Amino acid sequence: DTAVSQTPKYLVTQMGNDKSIKCEQNLGHDTMYWYKQDSKKFLKIMFSYNNKELIINETVPNRFSPKSPDKAHLNLHINSLELGDSAVYFCASSLTGGPGQGVYSPLHFGNGTRLTVT
Amino acid sequence: AQSVSQHNHHVILSEAASLELGCNYSYGGTVNLFWYVQYPGQHLQLLLKYFSGDPLVKGIKGFEAEFIKSKFSFNLRKPSVQWSDTAEYFCAVNTYNTDKLIFGTGTRLQVFP
Repeated sequence: DTAVSQTPKYLVTQMGNDKSIKCEQNLGHDTMYWYKQDSKKFLKIMFSYNNKELIINETVPNRFSPKSPDKAHLNLHINSLELGDSAVYFCASSLTGGPGQGVYSPLHFGNGTRLTVT
Repeated sequence: AQSVSQHNHHVILSEAASLELGCNYSYGGTVNLFWYVQYPGQHLQLLLKYFSGDPLVKGIKGFEAEFIKSKFSFNLRKPSVQWSDTAEYFCAVNTYNTDKLIFGTGTRLQVFP
């Protein structure tokens, strides 16, 4: 059973398009994240949700909109895609003590979505 | 701002050599510390973690790390590397006032037979 699953694995699209990436976790974790890994392998957090509530929103363009319908799902919608959005996007989940309480468990990562914008 | 530094960007070793990868963080409070490994084309997998207790932690695949609070360091070690250890290694820190992991820039390890 896959603990954190995200789809699609690969996404190739043209500039200006809108696309979504889906993520689901079956670990019973209360917090989910989106990280972006650029071509130099640098990992930067974008968003985190705790029990469907947005907790962390780093300096990400508002073309990126996360949505958490329940605590097991966190989707990422991207409007008006740009060349610079090309990267690997990782979903992750963990157990925390609540907002601002630190993590109780390591983050478990999904397999990543490689987004290529042409 | 909190940050994590990995000074070794690219390490090349022969099989059976010993490995030590440096990790330093900037935060004066309580931290949780992690090392993750990313094999080529794959996602991040946890190697080991430190939450509290013995500062010398052992992880999977023969890796270990030592938390030295006075030096704000959490260096990763392995006495004898294998070709299959070729991967990208990331140190990460969680501070008690946030729910996020801050990652270092990663160290690329290449092990040659």
